[in-house]
Amino acid sequence: DTAVSQTPKYLVTQMGNDKSIKCEQNLGHDTMYWYKQDSKKFLKIMFSYNNKELIINETVPNRFSPKSPDKAHLNLHINSLELGDSAVYFCASSRGGVLYNEQFFGPGTRLTVL
Amino acid sequence: GEDVEQSLFLSVREGDSSVINCTYTDSSSTYLYWYKQEPGAGLQLLTYIFSNMDMKQDQRLTVLLNKKDKHLSLRIADTQTGDSAIYFCAERIGGSQGNLIFGKGTKLSVKP
Repeated sequence: DTAVSQTPKYLVTQMGNDKSIKCEQNLGHDTMYWYKQDSKKFLKIMFSYNNKELIINETVPNRFSPKSPDKAHLNLHINSLELGDSAVYFCASSRGGVLYNEQFFGPGTRLTVL
Repeated sequence: GEDVEQSLFLSVREGDSSVINCTYTDSSSTYLYWYKQEPGAGLQLLTYIFSNMDMKQDQRLTVLLNKKDKHLSLRIADTQTGDSAIYFCAERIGGSQGNLIFGKGTKLSVKP
């Protein structure tokens, strides 16, 4: 009955590889997000997506691409991984029409690029 | 530009009050939030305040908002060891479906 789930929890890979992180929410939310939290715990929005619009933070390299097969899923695909991509990636979701727009976060995926 | 500032560390003794401060830059922010992150976990919404309020109380938590100075604070009364976590201040920009801009987080350590 997990609200927002991510897989895998840990991902260790070599520089130059392509990898995906999956996110699923069972809350019936219509907007999903990806955040990056670096080693200093700084949390930055990468993408927000609903079935109408993808909003990309302009600082995100185009090696990162969100893919949404349906409303409940927003996967993060990363091409040509670099050392600086090592971080914890959090998926989140929220429901439209709610004024205070609480975002529910997944448990995070710790990506280590060697 | 959009920026949310917080002090990085706070240490208190169990039973004392903790006050975590935050400043933000976007005067059009409609909602401001406090999220809590426990070790190895995602963020959980702790409380929020609408910008036309100056105070909100929820059990041990008190949020104060000074809109003129763009200053937000979170007071935790009778702090417990279970309150040890990182607390993130966030402002919402860009309307009802706008993004959250998070501060760098304040690590609260509670000593027994």
